[in-house]
Amino acid sequence: GQNIDQPTEMTATEGAIVQINCTYQTSGFNGLFWYQQHAGEAPTFLSYNVLDGLEEKGRFSSFLSRSKGYSYLLLKELQMKDSASYLCAVMDSNYQLIWGAGTKLIIKP
Amino acid sequence: NAGVTQTPKFRVLKTGQSMTLLCAQDMNHEYMYWYRQDPGMGLRLIHYSVGEGTTAKGEVPDGYNVSRLKKQNFLLGLESAAPSQTSVYFCASRPGLAGEVGELFFGEGSRLTVL
Repeated sequence: GQNIDQPTEMTATEGAIVQINCTYQTSGFNGLFWYQQHAGEAPTFLSYNVLDGLEEKGRFSSFLSRSKGYSYLLLKELQMKDSASYLCAVMDSNYQLIWGAGTKLIIKP
Repeated sequence: NAGVTQTPKFRVLKTGQSMTLLCAQDMNHEYMYWYRQDPGMGLRLIHYSVGEGTTAKGEVPDGYNVSRLKKQNFLLGLESAAPSQTSVYFCASRPGLAGEVGELFFGEGSRLTVL
């Protein structure tokens, strides 16, 4: 079966760095997405990786290793507004998105 | 810039009642999706459409029906609501022809409670 694993919850301190991991097993691979979802709101797109390596976008970076079925989202200089759930999703060979359950990130002052 | 719009935002139903959720997008996207999101679970795909006049079942289609008579609209129907259908429903769309990858754009969500 297809599976996406990510930690349920993480806690970090304002101003620090946090890394949210995602491992996947899917039928084919057409890219990995990260979305941010604040409580009570819709998910919003953060990043897309289809090739191995690191993609940097401001304070957020996303890494992919296709051979290991592994990705991480790196958040630097954490701000209180970064408190949210972070969703990992993989697009399979049928161009369908398989979603992880999400990681709830709690930022403490 | 409306993007993806869902109506209604909130609804309370009694068991056995029917209702329709409307999703409208103004981005000329081919693909449209209905998901449900429950606490502790990821987004689960109910039904999707790859173009006007087409629909297909997702992971959890039972108890739901959909229609895409116009490219910009994707309707989700509950024929006989059950408490297990209490959830937050998200509509999403993305551009592209078959085989193309693109990010999903989500509506604000519709919170449905079935008593």
